[in-house]
Amino acid sequence: GAVVSQHPSWVICKSGTSVKIECRSLDFQATTMFWYRQFPKQSLMLMATSNEGSKATYEQGVEKDKFLINHASLTLSTLTVTSAHPEDSSFYICSARSNRGHATGELFFGEGSRLTVL
Amino acid sequence: KQEVTQIPAALSVPEGENLVLNCSFTDSAIYNLQWFRQDPGKGLTSLLLIQSSQREQTSGRLNASLDKSSGRSTLYIAASQPGDSATYLCAVPLYNFNKFYFGSGTKLNVKP
Repeated sequence: GAVVSQHPSWVICKSGTSVKIECRSLDFQATTMFWYRQFPKQSLMLMATSNEGSKATYEQGVEKDKFLINHASLTLSTLTVTSAHPEDSSFYICSARSNRGHATGELFFGEGSRLTVL
Repeated sequence: KQEVTQIPAALSVPEGENLVLNCSFTDSAIYNLQWFRQDPGKGLTSLLLIQSSQREQTSGRLNASLDKSSGRSTLYIAASQPGDSATYLCAVPLYNFNKFYFGSGTKLNVKP
C-alpha cells in the first residue's frame, strides 16, 4: 500500500515552546491530508482537514492559532503546536487520501507522533 | 450526519478461532468503506478497502463484506493468531472525501 511518513515519532519539549510535526506522502500526491489527535484508550479526534494550497478547515473547538497547519505541497503537510502546554501532550496522527487509480479515496496513515510537554 | 458504530467494543478469543467484527453506518449512500487496524502507540494500518459496487474483499485471512442497503460491513478473521491482537476500526468517507467517519473500534485480544 501507499506510504505516509510522519516525523518525529516522539518529541519532548518544555512548556511554552513550539513543536512542528511533518506528514509526507511518499509515493502519491495527496491534495487532502487530515490531522487527528488521540487520547489514551480513545478513538481518533479529527482536528483539521488540510487542502494543498489553501487554508486548513478546523473542527469546532480546535484553536487554529494554536495548531498551525500548512499544506504547501502535494506531498507535505505540517502541524505546528505553538506555545505548547502540558495539556497539549497527546498522540497526533496524520493521514492522506490517495487519488491514484483503483485506490481512489483510500486513506493512509502516518505512524503517529507522541508529544510530551513538560 | 453519518454515524458509524462498531460492535463489540472489545473481544477476547482463544487462538485459532474464526471471528467476525461488525461495523454499521446510518447513511447508506457511501462511496467506499475501509477497515484499519491500530496497534498500541501506532498509527492506523489500512487492511481492506471495499468500493460501494463491491460486496466483499479478501486479503489473506481477512475478508470484509459490505451490504450497503442494510448499512453494514463485517470483517471476518480466519484462524486468529495472537499477532492479530489490536484495535480494528472501520471508516466511511463523506461524498467529497473531505471527511471520514470512524467507528470507535473493536479491541481484539487473541489469547495464545
